[in-house]
Amino acid sequence: QVQLQESGPGLVKPSETLSLTCSVSSGSISTYYWSWVRQPPGKGLEWLGYTYYSGSTNYNPSLKSRVTMSLDTSKNQFSLKLSSVTAADTAVYYCARRQGYYDSSGIPLWYFDLWGRGTLITVSS
Amino acid sequence: SYELTQPPSVSVSPGQTAYITCSGDRLGDKYVCWYQQKPGQSPVLVIYQDTKRPSGIPERFSGSNSGNPATLTISGAQAMDEADYYCQVWDSSTVIFGGGTKLTVL
Repeated sequence: QVQLQESGPGLVKPSETLSLTCSVSSGSISTYYWSWVRQPPGKGLEWLGYTYYSGSTNYNPSLKSRVTMSLDTSKNQFSLKLSSVTAADTAVYYCARRQGYYDSSGIPLWYFDLWGRGTLITVSS
Repeated sequence: SYELTQPPSVSVSPGQTAYITCSGDRLGDKYVCWYQQKPGQSPVLVIYQDTKRPSGIPERFSGSNSGNPATLTISGAQAMDEADYYCQVWDSSTVIFGGGTKLTVL
């Protein structure tokens, strides 16, 4: 049973860079696309982006200028960096595995079948 | 940018059928999936590809997307189904979540 585990600092100061890592317990990280999703306290889910072992990435347009994602196959981990954080970036951050494919019409049939437990990141001085 | 709209809350009595809707432009041209999230827990996929249930998800969960809206149906809702539910689609290679619906079973 593959498991995902987020790790991070818990507390980040305003204007600094938030760095998180997601460890994949088993299997090859090269097989899937990997995403980050966050959830501010009491609010809904917000997708941050995805990364693939080839170096391919895609980010939420609203955060694109501040987000960097990467993947380390040697450690079976992938990471998130979010720069210039503010209190609005306070949230539970989840890592997730993307499953699926394009259908015969080229429509993406993707979904998140595996999620980490999440880690709360608080932005405060 | 693309948006998905869900009702903030839905209430049902135990054993009744709960309908949670998800609306969006040309939603029938996309594949919808649904996640269940209980307090303090990670989201769990309950429906993907509009109608399919992952292994381990009870048969009382079903989905449809014949147009607009897409609907998550919970037949014979149980107290354990009380949770937040989110619909999700992909649009232009980006992920869009609905705002979420709080299901109350009482």
